[in-house]
Amino acid sequence: KAGVTQTPRYLIKTRGQQVTLSCSPISGHRSVSWYQQTPGQGLQFLFEYFSETQRNKGNFPGRFSGRQFSNSRSEMNVSTLELGDSALYLCASSLRQGVEEKLFFGSGTQLSVL
Amino acid sequence: KQEVTQIPAALSVPEGENLVLNCSFTDSAIYNLQWFRQDPGKGLTSLLLIQSSQREQTSGRLNASLDKSSGRSTLYIAASQPGDSATYLCAVLNAGGTSYGKLTFGQGTILTVHP
Repeated sequence: KAGVTQTPRYLIKTRGQQVTLSCSPISGHRSVSWYQQTPGQGLQFLFEYFSETQRNKGNFPGRFSGRQFSNSRSEMNVSTLELGDSALYLCASSLRQGVEEKLFFGSGTQLSVL
Repeated sequence: KQEVTQIPAALSVPEGENLVLNCSFTDSAIYNLQWFRQDPGKGLTSLLLIQSSQREQTSGRLNASLDKSSGRSTLYIAASQPGDSATYLCAVLNAGGTSYGKLTFGQGTILTVHP
């Protein structure tokens, strides 16, 4: 079974531009979560989608948005990029089995804002 | 607000040593706790998941324990190998919600096992 796939792997943008990152979950997984990882702040939760609906949102400005499609694939968008948005963006998918819900992470998209 | 702390921040040991990584959390109302491994520039690999009703989980040379009342978890690695070198992250899922993807992570322990 293929794992969580994130594209692109690397991205370089300049301040003020916008960017869209893509995440394809493991087949059969309906929940997708996004995280931002920086050396200073560590891993921080961005948002979670389940069946095309945003189920939870972290404490990030409105420039960060996401969506989920009917096939469970998800995209996140960052508008008006700032230098501080440079980070590794990780996507995770999950499938609840009984009481256990384990997250499976992709390799991430490394975003550099110049 | 849940806060997760991991000690030590970095650890360097010779091959073959047994070692313990520590994780503490401020709110004991958790649903589960997970330990992850992250290699440089890569995503996270789940190592062990402990439900709030469990005390420990084991996988191979890894053993994780959970003391929910004191807000602590430990990850024990037996007979460490150079291939164990990575960053180890502890994450908790708070109880009481319908969202299962919102984990609170610690800052991680950077482990180096030298031959």
